[in-house]
Amino acid sequence: GAGVSQSPSNKVTEKGKDVELRCDPISGHTALYWYRQSLGQGLEFLIYFQGNSAPDKSGLPSDRFSAERTGGSVSTLTIQRTQQEDSAVYLCASSLRREFNYEQYFGPGTRLTVT
Amino acid sequence: AQSVTQLDSHVSVSEGTPVLLRCNYSSSYSPSLFWYVQHPNKGLQLLLKYTSAATLVKGINGFEAEFKKSETSFHLTKPSAHMSDAAEYFCVVSPYNQGGKLIFGQGTELSVKP
Repeated sequence: GAGVSQSPSNKVTEKGKDVELRCDPISGHTALYWYRQSLGQGLEFLIYFQGNSAPDKSGLPSDRFSAERTGGSVSTLTIQRTQQEDSAVYLCASSLRREFNYEQYFGPGTRLTVT
Repeated sequence: AQSVTQLDSHVSVSEGTPVLLRCNYSSSYSPSLFWYVQHPNKGLQLLLKYTSAATLVKGINGFEAEFKKSETSFHLTKPSAHMSDAAEYFCVVSPYNQGGKLIFGQGTELSVKP
């Protein structure tokens, strides 16, 4: 079946602009996660959603970052007033359940470049 | 606090020789542990996972890892390297009480020489 998909694959934006990144999880997966991969920080957790429960936003680096998940499926990560340090690859993953022993399946990522 | 340490940032082997990528973890309770691989400009692919069943875990492409609680290690091995194994490998811990949140090691880049 189809894996996790993300769009766009690449995004170049000017400093100060807002960007939206999209994630389509695997059908039937109730848990959805966002991670960021950057040269200086490695791979770091940003936020996760489980069904209709309140999301865990503990990894979001600032209040310029927000995310939503509509209808328990597609998710959008929004970065407002982008800064150069936001340049990174943003990865989305989904899992059958939000449990520590369930593997996560990753999308190909969105490479964000802030100029 | 939970953490993962990959002891080598870069490992180079010759094709046909064994591969050893080292990982140590720190976790208050028995976590789940994973190894993921990332080929250049590709997404992360799950190699194998440990979830408190057998301590020796077999994964895809001939990789395996052994969970050693006394040493808090989860090293990844393969008997014979192939050119296609060249990639970045991440050791990952998922603490049991954090709802599936993954904590990644810094990664080990594996090079395979012909």
